[in-house]
Amino acid sequence: GENVGLHLPTLSVQEGDNSIINCAYSNSASDYFIWYKQESGKGPQFIIDIRSNMDKRQGQRVTVLLNKTVKHLSLQIAATQPGDSAVYFCAEHASYGKLTFGQGTILTVHP
Amino acid sequence: NAGVTQTPKFQVLKTGQSMTLQCAQDMNHNSMYWYRQDPGMGLRLIYYSASEGTTDKGEVPNGYNVSRLNKREFSLRLESAAPSQTSVYFCASRPMGLADTYEQYFGPGTRLTVT
Repeated sequence: GENVGLHLPTLSVQEGDNSIINCAYSNSASDYFIWYKQESGKGPQFIIDIRSNMDKRQGQRVTVLLNKTVKHLSLQIAATQPGDSAVYFCAEHASYGKLTFGQGTILTVHP
Repeated sequence: NAGVTQTPKFQVLKTGQSMTLQCAQDMNHNSMYWYRQDPGMGLRLIYYSASEGTTDKGEVPNGYNVSRLNKREFSLRLESAAPSQTSVYFCASRPMGLADTYEQYFGPGTRLTVT
């Protein structure tokens, strides 16, 4: 999950495994959540999003789960590939189109 | 479409120097944002512009100013750079009127070092 501090959480998996990246959010009034992937030297790229009136949403190889009771969000990546290696950020929206980002999780996929 | 473009890609400044980071988007988006990203941390919002003609402070606005020049362009100015402003700066944009998403589209970033 996301931690406060300078050291990002890391997750190492083997190619073909499923990955689960976790995120705890802070604002119970947040109405929308989004996951971004950031490769080294690049800007964040959209992966998947979910509104607070849902608890699950699926995309291609990715699933986002939302548990509002414990303010927890997770990103599941199926059949993880080396190209999935990146830093993954969750973000929440509470007002005025502004996103508040978590600190990120480093995913490393070993061939 | 080029999406969101930022210039320069890299910049080194001495303490006290000033510079302007440029951002432009060709997606006809209404809202634009400036973030900074420090090692081991997520993105923190510096300033944003909900629409042409408006700007507002974000989480970390001190030491920065912005200008929403027109609908396409949103610049970030450091008047007197400090080492604490060494960071990677990202610009983002978002269309208005889409009720189901608050997705922001990001540029490639400007890596700034202040010595």
